[in-house]
Amino acid sequence: ETGVTQTPRHLVMGMTNKKSLKCEQHLGHNAMYWYKQSAKKPLELMFVYSLEERVENNSVPSRFSPECPNSSHLFLHLHTLQPEDSALYLCASSQDSKSSYNSPLHFGNGTRLTVT
Amino acid sequence: AQKVTQAQTEISVVEKEDVTLDCVYETRDTTYYLFWYKQPPSGELVFLIRRNSFDEQNEISGRYSWNFQKSTSSFNFTITASQVVDSAVYFCALTPPDNTGKLIFGQGTTLQVKP
Repeated sequence: ETGVTQTPRHLVMGMTNKKSLKCEQHLGHNAMYWYKQSAKKPLELMFVYSLEERVENNSVPSRFSPECPNSSHLFLHLHTLQPEDSALYLCASSQDSKSSYNSPLHFGNGTRLTVT
Repeated sequence: AQKVTQAQTEISVVEKEDVTLDCVYETRDTTYYLFWYKQPPSGELVFLIRRNSFDEQNEISGRYSWNFQKSTSSFNFTITASQVVDSAVYFCALTPPDNTGKLIFGQGTTLQVKP
């Protein structure tokens, strides 16, 4: 399997649930990202990890908690979400976060999250 | 501040027509990169092209071509002889010269190519 894989593809959760989104990349990249894609809004960068270290937290509420146990895996733990958090959550990877000029992002298919 | 504007929200063409997707960007940086990504219905964003701010040469790749003009801060994308498989959302994006791999995306243009 190659590329960036995200699971699950679809997730419906209540506001009191706890769930996690998973991302796995098989490209040998060192940087991984979470982006949020809401309807009618540009994609928003949420988190950046480089060599398992978080290098950017783009003012994301604490109900979103990322985890990067190694350079191939990235999680987004969700807790006490709001209906406005419903969106497509996209994971991406690149060679490393400091060479975006030479290394375009490779995206997964995304997880379509619906908060009820 | 950096910003990317794709004024065309939706475009509909008939197969074999040529179509141009507009992208206008704002940045005070002299060094930056511009990108185009395609998002088919399956959801993933597919990288199409990267252009650095020092290279204003137009680029052609098959039916795709890109026109980069710094004087007007535009990076337009043209699909020649469009096909139904070109139907997707297309995003223009800008990378500022910091070191976080951050992409600033436009709002996207939904292209529908009808048979």
